[in-house]
Amino acid sequence: GDSVTQMEGPVTLSEEAFLTINCTYTATGYPSLFWYVQYPGEGLQLLLKATKADDKGSNKGFEATYRKETTSFHLEKGSVQVSDSAVYFCALISNFGNEKLTFGTGTRLTIIP
Amino acid sequence: DAGVTQSPTHLIKTRGQQVTLRCSPISGHKSVSWYQQVLGQGPQFIFQYYEKEERGRGNFPDRFSARQFPNYSSELNVNALLLGDSALYLCASSLVSMGQGQFFGPGTRLTVL
Repeated sequence: GDSVTQMEGPVTLSEEAFLTINCTYTATGYPSLFWYVQYPGEGLQLLLKATKADDKGSNKGFEATYRKETTSFHLEKGSVQVSDSAVYFCALISNFGNEKLTFGTGTRLTIIP
Repeated sequence: DAGVTQSPTHLIKTRGQQVTLRCSPISGHKSVSWYQQVLGQGPQFIFQYYEKEERGRGNFPDRFSARQFPNYSSELNVNALLLGDSALYLCASSLVSMGQGQFFGPGTRLTVL
């Protein structure tokens, strides 16, 4: 079945540091890939997505590239801010007959000033 | 425009009781999905409804059921509650059912004592 493996956290970085959160997946066919972010006490927000190989999703300075050859979708940001502190989830949809998202376990990111 | 809304925000029940959670999708969205998020884990897919028909069901027991109403709002019912049902229940909506990602509500925190 489908699965998503995320870099284990928690991750703590200083403000303005470079961020990478690794994500790899197992799925049938050609899944769509997503990064969601969950701020404390809130629901999930869609951060970015990519729907085919070599697509790059980007939003709010975050980027991720759909790499089919390595089945990866790593999240990157060049300079993190304190406000980026949250839990980040990598996810996929492989069956386009429904909207079932398969999530990773999440990576808690803390940015210190 | 209002986002996805869920009620109640918090709920405390005892083992063996039944609970009903409610969700209103973003206006115009016809697809509603339900997820269970246990503390420290990624959300797990429970159900998806599109145009009032069930489109997907996750690996949850028959104690979990759902329905979608003509106005596209949805209810999730859980019977014979167990301690392990304590979790954040998330509702998500999307315009269509095409694997393009969903918008999540803030969730209902269910505690079973």
